[in-house]
Amino acid sequence: GAVVSQHPSWVICKSGTSVKIECRSLDFQATTMFWYRQFPKQSLMLMATSNEGSKATYEQGVEKDKFLINHASLTLSTLTVTSAHPEDSSFYICSARVGLEINEQFFGPGTRLTVL
Amino acid sequence: GQNIDQPTEMTATEGAIVQINCTYQTSGFNGLFWYQQHAGEAPTFLSYNVLDGLEEKGRFSSFLSRSKGYSYLLLKELQMKDSASYLCAVSDSNYQLIWGAGTKLIIKP
Repeated sequence: GAVVSQHPSWVICKSGTSVKIECRSLDFQATTMFWYRQFPKQSLMLMATSNEGSKATYEQGVEKDKFLINHASLTLSTLTVTSAHPEDSSFYICSARVGLEINEQFFGPGTRLTVL
Repeated sequence: GQNIDQPTEMTATEGAIVQINCTYQTSGFNGLFWYQQHAGEAPTFLSYNVLDGLEEKGRFSSFLSRSKGYSYLLLKELQMKDSASYLCAVSDSNYQLIWGAGTKLIIKP
């Protein structure tokens, strides 16, 4: 099946610093990538949808200047959490979809971010 | 608005059968997914239904009724490793996944 990787798996950073998370589709080209956030004991919350070569579409309530998304190629999307604060500590998961009308999303293993 | 409802938590016994229900109201429908998620891990795909009826895959089966906006995931011969959260998600008219809050399944010996 399709494989999606994320790097790093976990990261601890100081408040005020920026953190970059990479999401790669290893054996397929992803037209669309999604970024989710999941707080403990809660479901996935879609943050943004990213199509290769265009600006990401952010969900309501997600600050686009704080969560910078770059989808520069068909196999790589990055999420940068700028000026991270403790409340940004969460599990960040990316997923990738092959085509616009293809349903299945393939998930990365997630990145656990802890902001001190 | 769009809404996915599923029970918050269920408990079952090892070796038994459990059914996890999901009801949905969405703008458009392009299929319903069930995912399994163990604590601290990303979701993994279990099943996909786009037509009415039952899809069976080993110990897991998933049922869909589009007219009722209803699906269930049936797990047979429960094993301790089945303890996880089970997420119901519907693909809407824009092929965007709308997620339920998940059902935490606790398996007891």
